Amino acid sequence: EPEVTQTPSHQVTQMGQEVILRCVPISNHLYFYWYRQILGQKVEFLVSFYNNEISEKSEIFDDQFSVERPDGSNFTLKIRSTKLEDSAMYFCASSRADTQYFGPGTRLTVL
Amino acid sequence: GENVEQHPSTLSVQEGDSAVIKCTYSDSASNYFPWYKQELGKRPQLIIDIRSNVGEKKDQRIAVTLNKTAKHFSLHITETQPEDSAVYFCAEGGNEKLTFGTGTRLTIIP
Repeated sequence: EPEVTQTPSHQVTQMGQEVILRCVPISNHLYFYWYRQILGQKVEFLVSFYNNEISEKSEIFDDQFSVERPDGSNFTLKIRSTKLEDSAMYFCASSRADTQYFGPGTRLTVL
Repeated sequence: GENVEQHPSTLSVQEGDSAVIKCTYSDSASNYFPWYKQELGKRPQLIIDIRSNVGEKKDQRIAVTLNKTAKHFSLHITETQPEDSAVYFCAEGGNEKLTFGTGTRLTIIP
């Protein structure tokens, strides 16, 4: 059964540095998403992407964040200048319609 | 904005007994309600979902009920087993995004 994949599994960075988190959605899916989960808390929506553009974004997804689908398979989340509070697990998800399947996540630690 | 409340936050159940987790939502236009199971350090895994055109859906030991008038939906797990121990999240939404509840840590006592 196809799954969403994400790299890296862990990313440690210094405050102020840029990070790029990578995702490969399920191949025939049309909608792509990023969520984050701070340790011990609920999953929070960041952004959704459809037809090569952002379809919805949350208040968390400010100017420091951007998403891109650089080719036919990858979907990336860039954080331009990381803050301590960006430390979290970042999950990519994809769907054909409303049923979303999650990747294994990237644990981002900002020091 | 959308809001999903989930209760209880923790639940301990004797193996073999049933577990029930409840969620309420605020957006009356919502029509898709999935449940995810998350084991420690792992991805949220879809276990069952329901759409607003039905009131109940069952898959083996797991069932979900939906009351659109009251804006609440519930997860029922029967004949619980140790491997059911995890954090369970309800959510509501659709193609654009999911709004998650705060999670229920379910512990099955052998």
